[in-house]
Amino acid sequence: EVQLVESGGGLVQPGGSLRLSCVASGFSVSSNYLSWVRQAPGKGLEWVSILYSGGWTYYADSVQGRFTVSRDNAKNTFHLQMNNLRDDDTAVYYCARDSDSGSREYFQYWGQGTLVTVSS
Amino acid sequence: SYVLAQPPSVSVAPGQTARIPCEGTNIGGKSVHWYQQRPGQAPVLVVYNDGDRPSGIPERFSGSNYGNTATLTINRVEAGDEADYYCQVWDGSSDQWVFGGGTKVTV
Repeated sequence: EVQLVESGGGLVQPGGSLRLSCVASGFSVSSNYLSWVRQAPGKGLEWVSILYSGGWTYYADSVQGRFTVSRDNAKNTFHLQMNNLRDDDTAVYYCARDSDSGSREYFQYWGQGTLVTVSS
Repeated sequence: SYVLAQPPSVSVAPGQTARIPCEGTNIGGKSVHWYQQRPGQAPVLVVYNDGDRPSGIPERFSGSNYGNTATLTINRVEAGDEADYYCQVWDGSSDQWVFGGGTKVTV
């Protein structure tokens, strides 16, 4: 069974940094497309970033240059390093995985989310 | 960047049909995916590739996509279908994954 469990959220001051982690089970993080999607309080879903199995990464314009995705194959975990955080980065951050068929176009599996609050 | 537009809300009586539109320029040329999100929960994929359903999703959920509008249809609506619904596409020209603003379905 595929499971994704996020951790690392919390309260951080503007300009600060935070690293989110997503522990995967039921599949190998080295073999799938892994994404982060966020949701600001009372708002809709916003795609943040994706890490391809081949190592390529893509980011939303709103986080380009500030956020970095990576993975630890040995721990079957992937991460979102968030630097220079702003108030509008406040959101629940979900990790998500591609489809069983290997399509990168949509997100079949989701974690339960971790809340990041950026505030002084 | 590619933009998807959804109505903020749709109201439907139990047992009736809910139709949720998702508008985008030539969206018929893209594959559209739909997620259901109940309050306080993570999103759940309910339709992918315009009209396919993942295992475990009732046949009451279906999708279509043509021209500038994709539509999620929920037949014989139940109280448990009350949730926010999001459409989503992959914009290959920019390698961006785009969500619509979401539609709250009230039963």
